[in-house]
Amino acid sequence: GQNIDQPTEMTATEGAIVQINCTYQTSGFNGLFWYQQHAGEAPTFLSYNVLDGLEEKGRFSSFLSRSKGYSYLLLKELQMKDSASYLCAVRLGTSGTYKYIFGTGTRLKVLA
Amino acid sequence: DTEVTQTPKHLVMGMTNKKSLKCEQHMGHRAMYWYKQKAKKPPELMFVYSYEKLSINESVPSRFSPECPNSSLLNLHLHALQPEDSALYLCASSQGLAVPGNTIYFGEGSWLTVV
Repeated sequence: GQNIDQPTEMTATEGAIVQINCTYQTSGFNGLFWYQQHAGEAPTFLSYNVLDGLEEKGRFSSFLSRSKGYSYLLLKELQMKDSASYLCAVRLGTSGTYKYIFGTGTRLKVLA
Repeated sequence: DTEVTQTPKHLVMGMTNKKSLKCEQHMGHRAMYWYKQKAKKPPELMFVYSYEKLSINESVPSRFSPECPNSSLLNLHLHALQPEDSALYLCASSQGLAVPGNTIYFGEGSWLTVV
């Protein structure tokens, strides 16, 4: 089976930095994606990693280590509007047959 | 500009009803997806269409029947559903399965309640 795990909940303070971890045990790995989802809304794309290393995109950065089956999303200068669920998704398969499987999700609460 | 539109936004149906959820994208994407999401759970993949052909069915019960009339449209036909099928149904699309680095973009979802 495919396992993609994240912490269930995290709390951080406005202006701080928070790191959300994602560990995965899957077959046919072809990239890891991070999404943000506010309650009652659709997920929106934040960042992705296909190769090992850090990808930076404004206040958001994502890191991947394929050998360790590990990724994290780093959120800097937290704002109240960052309170949401954060989902990591692994793309599985080979060219022509991809699918995206989501992790358990992390609910982040940002406090004033 | 990325936009996936889903209708209806809310649907209440009885267990003997037949209804459909609709999804449309005009981004030229060639892959389309249906996901089901229960409260406080991650989206679960149901179906993947690639170039208008069903490429993945994640062992979804036959009371859910997908249809892809053309590359811009994706339907999900519902029949004889159970109350436990009540959930948010998300449609998504991506450029194409064989394009490295492409991601999926979600619609707003259709909230389904089965009574």
